[in-house]
Amino acid sequence: DGGITQSPKYLFRKEGQNVTLSCEQNLNHDAMYWYRQDPGQGLRLIYYSQIVNDFQKGDIAEGYSVSREKKESFPLTVTSAQKNPTAFYLCASTPPAGARGYGYTFGSGTRLTVV
Amino acid sequence: LAKTTQPISMDSYEGQEVNITCSHNNIATNDYITWYQQFPSQGPRFIIQGYKTKVTNEVASLFIPADRKSSTLSLPRVSLSDTAVYYCLVGDTRTGTGGFKTIFGAGTRLFVKA
Repeated sequence: DGGITQSPKYLFRKEGQNVTLSCEQNLNHDAMYWYRQDPGQGLRLIYYSQIVNDFQKGDIAEGYSVSREKKESFPLTVTSAQKNPTAFYLCASTPPAGARGYGYTFGSGTRLTVV
Repeated sequence: LAKTTQPISMDSYEGQEVNITCSHNNIATNDYITWYQQFPSQGPRFIIQGYKTKVTNEVASLFIPADRKSSTLSLPRVSLSDTAVYYCLVGDTRTGTGGFKTIFGAGTRLFVKA
């Protein structure tokens, strides 16, 4: 079945470390997104990518970086510049323009904790 | 970008019908209304989408008045497993490519009691 795979499910980061969260999709979707969710809060957009080799900052991009070298993959790096990275991170994708679809497909998330 | 307003939380009992209303006063002509359900430590999943009037699927119904400034998600005969957060999103979600920046609010926390 097609879908979005996020790994790892749980990730622990030491102070000052960079960590990378993986997101892979086999839906043939063009656009991919990274969201951050804090306890009891909604989703906030970190970065999004419309096509390969292109991406734009979302509302809370500071301290994060992304790449989009392949259509299927959109990894997120949480850098040491992100002072409060403990959160639940969700990757999502949307179908191409004109395709039948219903908006976002989400992965199962990665819970990042600073230790 | 259309902003949505939903109740923060709702309580219900098993077997009851639950109606969650979402306000979206500045909805644009091309915008669709989509509802998602999220369980703890999982990604949101699609429930239903509509543009106007009424849409029904095996899970829920969506009622949209003529002015489209609000919508109501109706869950028939809820069970304990329907306890979740429900998000109302407004945007041109069918365009896909375009990188639209749909706003996810805090959603509505539904708690179903036995």
